[in-house]
Amino acid sequence: AQSVTQLDSHVSVSEGTPVLLRCNYSSSYSPSLFWYVQHPNKGLQLLLKYTSAATLVKGINGFEAEFKKSETSFHLTKPSAHMSDAAEYFCVVSDRGTYKYIFGTGTRLKVLA
Amino acid sequence: GEEVAQTPKHLVRGEGQKAKLYCAPIKGHSYVFWYQQVLKNEFKFLISFQNENVFDETGMPKERFSAKCLPNSPCSLEIQATKLEDSAVYFCASIHRITSSYEQYFGPGTRLTVT
Repeated sequence: AQSVTQLDSHVSVSEGTPVLLRCNYSSSYSPSLFWYVQHPNKGLQLLLKYTSAATLVKGINGFEAEFKKSETSFHLTKPSAHMSDAAEYFCVVSDRGTYKYIFGTGTRLKVLA
Repeated sequence: GEEVAQTPKHLVRGEGQKAKLYCAPIKGHSYVFWYQQVLKNEFKFLISFQNENVFDETGMPKERFSAKCLPNSPCSLEIQATKLEDSAVYFCASIHRITSSYEQYFGPGTRLTVT
């Protein structure tokens, strides 16, 4: 069975400092991995996806993630946080057999002025 | 259309009443998925369809919940005799066909409040 674990439920950073949101995965196959962002009372927006092409994936709004098979990790990073980045972030793996999404429990990012 | 549409945006029901939610997938998309996001922000998979056929219903509560995707109609998720614990945001998503990315396209969600 596939799963993802988001290691931090809350992360606080100061505006202009780097962001690191951690995600570990478990999968029997080469996984399809995603990061989504959800702003308060809003829907899901895709930040980036990994589909076994390049291991360093660039997404929208300056976010990127690196797929590390040896560490079974897919951490999300951004060099400089902006106030508008404050939101809930979800790491997701797609189940290869049923195509359903398996969500992590989310990381709430707080950006301090 | 080019976006997944969900109606209504908000739905308020008294405990014991029926609730019906609708989802129009992107035109040409053959897979539809329903997810429930409860107040702790956790997402739970409910059910998926391949065209009008149930594809995976392992997440559906056996009682009170049902879903359909009929030709030329929006898909629907119905909850009979709602309970307080059904309060959540229900998201629908669709996929055109199974590609290497398995990326799903999400609707804006329906917020169900059971009072």
